[in-house]
Amino acid sequence: GIQVEQSPPDLILQEGANSTLRCNFSDSVNNLQWFHQNPWGQLINLFYIPSGTKQNGRLSATTVATERYSLLYISSSQTTDSGVYFCAVVEETSGSRLTFGEGTQLTVNP
Amino acid sequence: DTGVSQNPRHKITKRGQNVTFRCDPISEHNRLYWYRQTLGQGPEFLTYFQNEAQLEKSRLLSDRFSAERPKGSFSTLEIQRTEQGDSAMYLCASSRTWASGAPTDTQYFGPGTRLTVL
Repeated sequence: GIQVEQSPPDLILQEGANSTLRCNFSDSVNNLQWFHQNPWGQLINLFYIPSGTKQNGRLSATTVATERYSLLYISSSQTTDSGVYFCAVVEETSGSRLTFGEGTQLTVNP
Repeated sequence: DTGVSQNPRHKITKRGQNVTFRCDPISEHNRLYWYRQTLGQGPEFLTYFQNEAQLEKSRLLSDRFSAERPKGSFSTLEIQRTEQGDSAMYLCASSRTWASGAPTDTQYFGPGTRLTVL
């Protein structure tokens, strides 16, 4: 099956700093989603982005499908951005199931 | 709020007992998914339904696990003879397909049911 690798595994920032999270995947996909998991375990949708670039406030994402990677940018980070960020993909040949990476644990200190 | 809901939010049980979880998807969504997440890992796919039909099951879904979606609305996930290794967060998600049957985009997740097996 498809492999999804996220980097870095852990990231510690000071409030106000910018960061880039990366997601590499091993095969062609027809769905890619970024999620933020809050401390209570809820997965919050950030982006549906199988290709191209999207922006939502301080967050933006870019997926280059031909090179099999996606980037999540967080600008002017806030303490509320802390948590685990997951990338998940649907392999073209796999129907609908999402395959998740292992996540990036982000800590934003005041 | 008309998001995905799951009940109960927490379940503590003794090894060997049976447990059942419920998921109510977003009302117009015809696809429903179950995932399991253990500490420090990303969620792993278990199974999914389109309407009432169970279309795919993961090898993770042993014969002690059974999922149903009898009327194409809510779904239940039952674990029989629970083991300590079943302790995890069980997540439900839903999405919809176009009239052609092609999936649309986002899967929306519920808050999860955290199972602890003692």
